[in-house]
Amino acid sequence: DTGVSQDPRHKITKRGQNVTFRCDPISEHNRLYWYRQTLGQGPEFLTYFQNEAQLEKSRLLSDRFSAERPKGSFSTLEIQRTEQGDSAMYLCASSPMRQGPPSSYEQYFGPGTRLTVT
Amino acid sequence: GEDVEQSLFLSVREGDSSVINCTYTDSSSTYLYWYKQEPGAGLQLLTYIFSNMDMKQDQRLTVLLNKKDKHLSLRIADTQTGDSAIYFCAESRTGGFKTIFGAGTRLFVKA
Repeated sequence: DTGVSQDPRHKITKRGQNVTFRCDPISEHNRLYWYRQTLGQGPEFLTYFQNEAQLEKSRLLSDRFSAERPKGSFSTLEIQRTEQGDSAMYLCASSPMRQGPPSSYEQYFGPGTRLTVT
Repeated sequence: GEDVEQSLFLSVREGDSSVINCTYTDSSSTYLYWYKQEPGAGLQLLTYIFSNMDMKQDQRLTVLLNKKDKHLSLRIADTQTGDSAIYFCAESRTGGFKTIFGAGTRLFVKA
């Protein structure tokens, strides 16, 4: 069991640059989520995919943010024209779609990508 | 609105029980979760409870839910130093993919 993996684990970039993060979910999981976590806070929901379809985007996800999951497997999160306020841990999670009651939507998290914008 | 609140810190002695409390505001919450985060690691699901349950026990963990007061607690029996971590309370709705997390409670276990 390889779990959810994220790459890179750390990224330092200068303000104004674009960055892209990758998430590989657990192979049989068809749901994938992106969260952002800042110091001293819990994860904040950014977006959600069911297979390749992006079904929900938080208002936190400005026009500079875009996420894709082209084949329903791995996902990428791109931030354009980074700002210092984008510095955070970006977490990816995946979950299976269980059939029949009860279904719990428990999510399995990756280790995160820590972004520092200087 | 949706909000989950937790106390920020809890300190206990090894061997004692820990009780971490959480309140939430969304009466539509269907699933309530406890996650654990250790330094440098991702969040790990510890346990979850459905809103039609009052209690769930899983080895050293006991979850109590007071739906009327929208209060959730996590009791860790015989707390060990390895239990030192941040514990997040979270909630979601039926059909809901959006999970709302609290800010986390940092548990310190003194030997």
